[in-house]
Amino acid sequence: AQSVTQPDIHITVSEGASLELRCNYSYGATPYLFWYVQSPGQGLQLLLKYFSGDTLVQGIKGFEAEFKRSQSSFNLRKPSVHWSDAAEYFCVIGTSGTYKYIFGTGTRLKVLA
Amino acid sequence: EAGVAQSPRYKIIEKRQSVAFWCNPISGHATLYWYQQILGQGPKLLIQFQNNGVVDDSQLPKDRFSAERLKGVDSTLKIQPAKLEDSAVYLCASSPPKNPLASETQYFGPGTRLLVL
Repeated sequence: AQSVTQPDIHITVSEGASLELRCNYSYGATPYLFWYVQSPGQGLQLLLKYFSGDTLVQGIKGFEAEFKRSQSSFNLRKPSVHWSDAAEYFCVIGTSGTYKYIFGTGTRLKVLA
Repeated sequence: EAGVAQSPRYKIIEKRQSVAFWCNPISGHATLYWYQQILGQGPKLLIQFQNNGVVDDSQLPKDRFSAERLKGVDSTLKIQPAKLEDSAVYLCASSPPKNPLASETQYFGPGTRLLVL
């Protein structure tokens, strides 16, 4: 079955600390992977995506993610978190052929001043 | 490049009333999606259009929800009659013409927040 698991529902970090949000997936073919961020009252903004090639992907706002096929993971990282990063983060699989998204349940990030 | 536009941004109605949401996708995007996002959950796909044809509406509650995409551009989503459990954010997204060998990035609008009293 196709699925995306984000094990952490809530994460709290201090401003300036490093961040890693976990994402594991189950998909029978080549995964197309995305991270989106949703700030309160806002739509979903694309942070970064992995289709092929270099497994370390750089995104906007200083975020990066690493695709590890052996671990079926696509974890999101940021070396130093800013208060404005407080939001909900969704890991997503894009399916080839049907062009659909499979969303994870989301991780809500809280940033302490 | 203009993003996905949605209106209204907020709507409050009473149960059993009807409501309609409008979406204008990014120019040239062939595929349009409507999602329902209930508070605390990820988005759930309601309907997917390819140009003006429906690709997938398997999760659309067809007894009360309807959607159309005239001329393959703008789309409207309607609820009639609304129920309390329809309170959610309704997101519209669009994606470029298809690469049959891959997925495509979806671009989301700001959403319409619906409250049913």
